[in-house]
Amino acid sequence: EIVLTQSPATLSLSPGERATLSCRASQSVGTSLAWYQQRPGQAPRLLIFDVSSRATDIPARFSGSGSGADFTLTISGLEPEDFAVYYCQHRSNGWPWTFGQGTKVDIK
Amino acid sequence: EVQLVESGGGLVQPGGSLRLSCGASGFTFTDYTMNWVRQAPGRGLEWVSYVSSASSTIHYADSVRGRFTTSRDNAKNSVYLQMNSLRDEDTAVYYCASGYSNYLINWGQGTLVTVSS
Repeated sequence: EIVLTQSPATLSLSPGERATLSCRASQSVGTSLAWYQQRPGQAPRLLIFDVSSRATDIPARFSGSGSGADFTLTISGLEPEDFAVYYCQHRSNGWPWTFGQGTKVDIK
Repeated sequence: EVQLVESGGGLVQPGGSLRLSCGASGFTFTDYTMNWVRQAPGRGLEWVSYVSSASSTIHYADSVRGRFTTSRDNAKNSVYLQMNSLRDEDTAVYYCASGYSNYLINWGQGTLVTVSS
């Protein structure tokens, strides 16, 4: 089973700043990597799939990059609604679906 | 508008059973796989189960295999999770989510299951 490790656990930033979140896999996952956002009290929503493709209606300030086993979610200019928890996710051919443990982006 | 609405959560004693339902609307249900994902209080996301569009393929997380059963009814645009032999550690918000390729595209708002005596 592939393990996804996210860092940092918490990122304290101010509105307008750039956020850089990391997700490292225990082995290569190719391009099968997604990012989800979960705001307080809400369900998760898909932000990025296939490493760098934005999901429907996701603003351009969200971007994904990386390859192999190291991936990054960048938020260029934090808006108030971006303070949330972010999870990376991979589904291997052998199952199961796996999530990272999450990175909380909170207001400094 | 895409909607996924879960129901059936509640308080149940250890060893008990519960059946969750998820009704879908606003998209072609048979184009998507359906999944259940749970989140224990204050914790991260844990995938629970998967059912393919025609129910030909079903997968479970090791933590629930043999106790939980997922099914779908395409005529009713619904997916279900039958949970038996419930344990304290099954306490969580349970989300249903539609899947496409390797990703979870849309999510419901979740239903809370509390296992406690």
